[in-house]
Amino acid sequence: GAVVSQHPSRVICKSGTSVKIECRSLDFQATTMFWYRQFPKKSLMLMATSNEGSKATYEQGVEKDKFLINHASLTLSTLTVTSAHPEDSSFYICSASTVPGYTFGSGTRLTVV
Amino acid sequence: KQEVTQIPAALSVPEGENLVLNCSFTDSAIYNLQWFRQDPGKGLTSLLLIQSSQREQTSGRLNASLDKSSGRSTLYIAASQPGDSATYLCAVRPSSGSARQLTFGSGTQLTVLP
Repeated sequence: GAVVSQHPSRVICKSGTSVKIECRSLDFQATTMFWYRQFPKKSLMLMATSNEGSKATYEQGVEKDKFLINHASLTLSTLTVTSAHPEDSSFYICSASTVPGYTFGSGTRLTVV
Repeated sequence: KQEVTQIPAALSVPEGENLVLNCSFTDSAIYNLQWFRQDPGKGLTSLLLIQSSQREQTSGRLNASLDKSSGRSTLYIAASQPGDSATYLCAVRPSSGSARQLTFGSGTQLTVLP
C-alpha cells in the first residue's frame, strides 16, 4: 500500500533555532499533503494544506511565517518551524490523499528547550 | 462546520471482551469515514474506510458500520487482545467543497487488560 515517510521521528532543538520536518510519498505522487499538529491526549488539528508547485493554504490562527511549508515536488513536502519556542513543542504529522482514503506519516516529536 | 465526537473518551476492558467504539458527526454530507489507530508517540494507521454509500466494512476482528442519515459510526472489536490497546480515531471527509481535509474526533483511548 501507499507509504508516507516522515523524518525525523524526534528532534530536540534550542529556542530560537529552526527545524525542518520532511514528508515523502514513497510509491506514489502526492499533489496535496496535509500537516497536522497534535497536543498531548488531544486529536489532530489541521495546520495547513500543502499543494505541489503552489503556496500552502493555512488554517485560521496558524502563522504562515512561523510554519513554512514547501511542496516543491510530487513526492516531498517540508514543514519548517522557524525561530522555535517552547510552546511550539508538539507532535507534528503529515498525510497524503491516497484515494479514497488518507495515509499518514509516523509523526515527529518536536521538543524546544 | 463539521463536528466529530467520540464516546467514550477512554475504555478499559479485560482481554477477550467484545467492544464497541462510537463516533458521531453533525453534517451527514460526507464522502467517507475512516477509522484509525494511533499508538503512543506514533502516527496513524488506517483500519477501515467506509464510503458514504456503504453500510459496513470488515477486516479481521474489526467491523465498522456507518449510518450516514443519523450521523453515526461504530467500530466493533471482537475478542479484544492486549495488543489492541491504543487510541482509536474516527475521521470524516466532506462530500463537496474545495476542502478535502479530514475532520477528526478526539479519540477513544482503549486499554485491554491481560
